[in-house]
Amino acid sequence: DAGITQSPRYKITETGRQVTLMCHQTWSHSYMFWYRQDLGHGLRLIYYSAAADITDKGEVPDGYVVSRSKTENFPLTLESATRSQTSVYFCASRGTGVFRYTFGSGTRLTVV
Amino acid sequence: TQLLEQSPQFLSIQEGENLTVYCNSSSVFSSLQWYRQEPGEGPVLLVTVVTGGEVKKLKRLTFQFGDARKDSSLHITAAQPGDTGLYLCAVETSGSRLTFGEGTQLTVNP
Repeated sequence: DAGITQSPRYKITETGRQVTLMCHQTWSHSYMFWYRQDLGHGLRLIYYSAAADITDKGEVPDGYVVSRSKTENFPLTLESATRSQTSVYFCASRGTGVFRYTFGSGTRLTVV
Repeated sequence: TQLLEQSPQFLSIQEGENLTVYCNSSSVFSSLQWYRQEPGEGPVLLVTVVTGGEVKKLKRLTFQFGDARKDSSLHITAAQPGDTGLYLCAVETSGSRLTFGEGTQLTVNP
């Protein structure tokens, strides 16, 4: 199916573990983004990518790593998960035209 | 300091009532977007406003961009329970990044 998909939808992990959240888009959009959403903070940008092999930090990048070897995939890795990284994570891509930002359905991550 | 300030933060109304939510900033923007987010889903773009003073309508939703392009409002006429959700305003900043306000959580009670 065309669109942007995130996996898993839900994840529980322990403090200190490495965890990777996946994001896949079928449009070949150049730009992709990772946001986290927390009560009282809204959506905050973690990392973004303008194209394959080009990534840059957003507002809250500490503790996260991204890669983009292929245009369609943009995984987000928590190298050593902490409780403060408990959040809902959204991936998005940007195409051209008026309705150009599309978000995935999110991954709810709980770090215990 | 938040780039975009949204108000009110929470709004609970009865079906059939009208409401307005606001998105304010001290900065000038070339465009501003409004999104609606339902529980368990990502934000979905409703509209983009570009011109100062612009008014756009989407069924019962009316969006206005301030004359100075620093603020915007969303007015809903005769709200319905299906309008329940988190309404977010956002602007594009450098690098095609979206910066969001904290949102207005709207609940429309039957």
